[in-house]
Amino acid sequence: EDKVVQSPLSLVVHEGDTVTLNCSYEVTNFRSLLWYKQEKKAPTFLFMLTSSGIEKKSGRLSSILDKKELFSILNITATQTGDSAVYLCAAHNSGGSNYKLTFGKGTLLTVNP
Amino acid sequence: NAGVMQNPRHLVRRRGQEARLRCSPMKGHSHVYWYRQLPEEGLKFMVYLQKENIIDESGMPKERFSAEFPKEGPSILRIQQVVRGDSAAYFCASSPSRSLYNEQFFGPGTRLTVL
Repeated sequence: EDKVVQSPLSLVVHEGDTVTLNCSYEVTNFRSLLWYKQEKKAPTFLFMLTSSGIEKKSGRLSSILDKKELFSILNITATQTGDSAVYLCAAHNSGGSNYKLTFGKGTLLTVNP
Repeated sequence: NAGVMQNPRHLVRRRGQEARLRCSPMKGHSHVYWYRQLPEEGLKFMVYLQKENIIDESGMPKERFSAEFPKEGPSILRIQQVVRGDSAAYFCASSPSRSLYNEQFFGPGTRLTVL
């Protein structure tokens, strides 16, 4: 069975801290790994990673994939209270027409002022 | 370009009633996915549809649940004879057609509460 595991499950930091969120996966026919940010509504797309070792950046957020070790990390530097959310990692597989996303349980990040 | 639309946002049903959840994908998207999120759990895949076709329903319970995506109109997830265990947030996502590598864009979800 496909599996995605995120750690830690929750994290509390102070504004200005740097955080690293972890995601490991075991997925057949792996295609890509996606990160989403979920506040009290729809998960919002952050990154899609398909190749190992290539860092993707968007402002204070960055992410990288290691397809050999089957994991990805999401870094957030100089955290702000607005970064407080659940961060979801999902692995995308593809067999034939199957584009299913398998999600981890998420990391709840709380950034205190 | 409006995002993925879902309605209703909140739905309350009594045990034994039917729940109908609607999803309108983003303009130009013809792939729709339904996910369920239980408390303290991650999003779980339920079904993947293209227009008028169910492509993968491996995550759908075998009974009481059905989904469709007609040629015209929104995709509908139907739950018959709801039970308390069906209480969850149901999210719909869509992606562009003919893309091998594409992110799925999520709607705001429908929170179903079964009394």
